Amino acid sequence: AQSVTQPDIHITVSEGASLELRCNYSYGATPYLFWYVQSPGQGLQLLLKYFSGDTLVQGIKGFEAEFKRSQSSFNLRKPSVHWSDAAEYFCAVGTGGSYIPTFGRGTSLIVHP
Amino acid sequence: KAGVTQTPRYLIKTRGQQVTLSCSPISGHRSVSWYQQTPGQGLQFLFEYFSETQRNKGNFPGRFSGRQFSNSRSEMNVSTLELGDSALYLCASSDRGNNEQFFGPGTRLTVL
Repeated sequence: AQSVTQPDIHITVSEGASLELRCNYSYGATPYLFWYVQSPGQGLQLLLKYFSGDTLVQGIKGFEAEFKRSQSSFNLRKPSVHWSDAAEYFCAVGTGGSYIPTFGRGTSLIVHP
Repeated sequence: KAGVTQTPRYLIKTRGQQVTLSCSPISGHRSVSWYQQTPGQGLQFLFEYFSETQRNKGNFPGRFSGRQFSNSRSEMNVSTLELGDSALYLCASSDRGNNEQFFGPGTRLTVL
């Protein structure tokens, strides 16, 4: 079965600084990969997804992620963080066998002014 | 297309009661999944319904149940509520086998 690890429970950055959230997965073949964002008390919103092709994917709100097969990683990046980016971020991996992806435990992003 | 809707948004119950939560998926989506989210346990998968059949189930006690109707709308029921059932319950729908899910805003359940 596949698994997802988000090593950082909390990350604190200053507004305007760059951001990288880490995600590692375990799966034998090429998975479907997702990043979701959740504001407090809200549902999850899809930021970006990778199915195949170009390993650098662009998402909404200025986010991008890079799939690195050799490292089994799918890290999320943003060049300049805004205070409104403070939220919980979830990485998820799917295998296509069912409709259910496996979610990581999430990384809480704190943005200092 | 309208997004995933969940009703009610907030609910307060007492221990021992039962509760029913509702989810309307995006039009055309046949898969509906339910998740429980708590600060301590994170996002936990409850079950998934596809074409009125439960296709996947997480590791939750039998007090948690669900169903799906012919129009793909889904309900989940929790009987004999416990304090630990206080959580945000999220519903997600999907229309294809690539695991991309679209989430509703959630129902915040508080058990007193």
